[in-house]
Amino acid sequence: DAGITQSPRYKITETGRQVTLMCHQTWSHSYMFWYRQDLGHGLRLIYYSAAADITDKGEVPDGYVVSRSKTENFPLTLESATRSQTSVYFCASSEGLVLVNNEQFFGPGTRLTVL
Amino acid sequence: RKEVEQDPGPFNVPEGATVAFNCTYSNSASQSFFWYRQDCRKEPKLLMSVYSSGNEDGRFTAQLNRASQYISLLIRDSKLSDSATYLCVVLYGYGQNFVFGPGTRLSVLP
Repeated sequence: DAGITQSPRYKITETGRQVTLMCHQTWSHSYMFWYRQDLGHGLRLIYYSAAADITDKGEVPDGYVVSRSKTENFPLTLESATRSQTSVYFCASSEGLVLVNNEQFFGPGTRLTVL
Repeated sequence: RKEVEQDPGPFNVPEGATVAFNCTYSNSASQSFFWYRQDCRKEPKLLMSVYSSGNEDGRFTAQLNRASQYISLLIRDSKLSDSATYLCVVLYGYGQNFVFGPGTRLSVLP
């Protein structure tokens, strides 16, 4: 099916473990984003990517690693999970054409709990 | 000071009421403005873009005041299905630096 998907939808892990959240989009959008959403903070940008092999830090990148070897995939890795990384993670994509179409399309989210 | 601030809410209104949400942003270099809607435990979805001249989409009206760095969303004739959190979003510069406000929750009551 076309769209943007995330996996897993729910994940429970332990402090210190490595976790990878997957994001896949079928629109061939240039831009992809990772956000985390926490009560009291709203959505905060972790990393974004303008194209394959081009990534950049957002507001809260510490403790996270991203890669983008293919346009359609943008995995987010927590190298050593901490309890403060318990959150809902949203992946998004957009065409990235400023002043033409900047709508971001979001995946369904991954609820991550770090014990 | 947060870059994008919104009415703290929640707003509890009866069906048929008119409700207005306010949003202020701190960076005058902002390029584009949006309202997103987020249902409980779901992903955000674009409600409408906000244009300089103001724009309307059915029961929804968005206004932008660049001089005051202020955005508003007006919902007329509220429906039960309008119950959600409304997110004000500002795009800075010519990149893809979207900044989300914390959201304002609306509950439309029967």
